[in-house]
Amino acid sequence: EDKVVQSPLSLVVHEGDTVTLNCSYEVTNFRSLLWYKQEKKAPTFLFMLTSSGIEKKSGRLSSILDKKELFSILNITATQTGDSAIYLCAVDNNNDMRFGAGTRLTVKP
Amino acid sequence: EPEVTQTPSHQVTQMGQEVILRCVPISNHLYFYWYRQILGQKVEFLVSFYNNEISEKSEIFDDQFSVERPDGSNFTLKIRSTKLEDSAMYFCASSRLAGGRDIQYFGAGTRLSVL
Repeated sequence: EDKVVQSPLSLVVHEGDTVTLNCSYEVTNFRSLLWYKQEKKAPTFLFMLTSSGIEKKSGRLSSILDKKELFSILNITATQTGDSAIYLCAVDNNNDMRFGAGTRLTVKP
Repeated sequence: EPEVTQTPSHQVTQMGQEVILRCVPISNHLYFYWYRQILGQKVEFLVSFYNNEISEKSEIFDDQFSVERPDGSNFTLKIRSTKLEDSAMYFCASSRLAGGRDIQYFGAGTRLSVL
């Protein structure tokens, strides 16, 4: 059975801290791994990763994939209160996406 | 920026009633999806749709559910006889390509409340 496991489930930090969110997966037909940010409603796209070892960056956010060890990390540096959200990891296995349970990040001022 | 739009944003219905949730995918996208998220739980895949037929469906997508693309722009999810446990947020998504080659963009969701 395909599995996507995120850790931690919940994280509380202060503004300026750096956080690392983890996602491990076991899927039968891996194609890509995606990170989404979910604030109030729709998940909004952050990164799509298909190749190992290539870091993707967008401002203070970065992510990398390890296809040998079957995991990905999402880093957020210099966190701000606006980063508070649920961060979802999803693995596309050719026709559908399997989501992890998410990491709820709370950034306190 | 093009976006996936869903209507209504909130639907309240009585148990046993039929509901139709509507989605307008991004115009040049060819692949369409429905997901649901029960309050406090993970986002779950329901069904994918391409070329006017279902490509893949999960075990959740039983005979009570159906999808349709009735015209060139709408993509609908019908629940024939709603149950209390169908209460959830339903997200529509679309992508240009499938098979992990493209990003799926999500709509804002329809919150379905079954009373």
